[in-house]
Amino acid sequence: GNSVTQMEGPVTLSEEAFLTINCTYTATGYPSLFWYVQYPGEGLQLLLKATKADDKGSNKGFEATYRKETTSFHLEKGSVQVSDSAVYFCALEQAGTALIFGKGTTLSVSS
Amino acid sequence: DTAVSQTPKYLVTQMGNDKSIKCEQNLGHDTMYWYKQDSKKFLKIMFSYNNKELIINETVPNRFSPKSPDKAHLNLHINSLELGDSAVYFCASSQGRAGQPQHFGDGTRLSIL
Repeated sequence: GNSVTQMEGPVTLSEEAFLTINCTYTATGYPSLFWYVQYPGEGLQLLLKATKADDKGSNKGFEATYRKETTSFHLEKGSVQVSDSAVYFCALEQAGTALIFGKGTTLSVSS
Repeated sequence: DTAVSQTPKYLVTQMGNDKSIKCEQNLGHDTMYWYKQDSKKFLKIMFSYNNKELIINETVPNRFSPKSPDKAHLNLHINSLELGDSAVYFCASSQGRAGQPQHFGDGTRLSIL
């Protein structure tokens, strides 16, 4: 079945450091891929998405590229801020059905 | 102006009780979902409705019964609550087509005493 694997956290960085959170997936066909972010006490917010191979999603300085050959969708940001501290979820979706999530990665950024 | 709203935000109750969580979306979406987030933050789909019709029903105990009176509402009723039901429950909605993002409510934190 379909599944998503993302790196275990927590990830602890200093402000302005480079961020990578790895995400790989297993799916038949061509899923859509998403990154969601969850701030403390809140629901999930869409961060970015990509719907086909080689698409790059980007938002608020975050980027991720849909790599079919490596079945990956790694999240990157060149310079993190304290306000980026949150839990990040990689997810896939096929044919408009429910999201399948990775286990989440907690990011903590200190000044 | 909240796109997906759930009530209540917090629910504290005794084992064995019956409770309901309500969800409403004003985005004009035709597909709604319930997800459960456990204490380790893992999110898993429970149910999905499209145009008031149940389309996804994961292996959830039949004590959980979703109801969709119309496209904009999806409620979750839970009978005979158990300790293991303690979690955060998220409602979401989408246009139900491939590649369309889901919009989430702020969650309902259910605590069973």
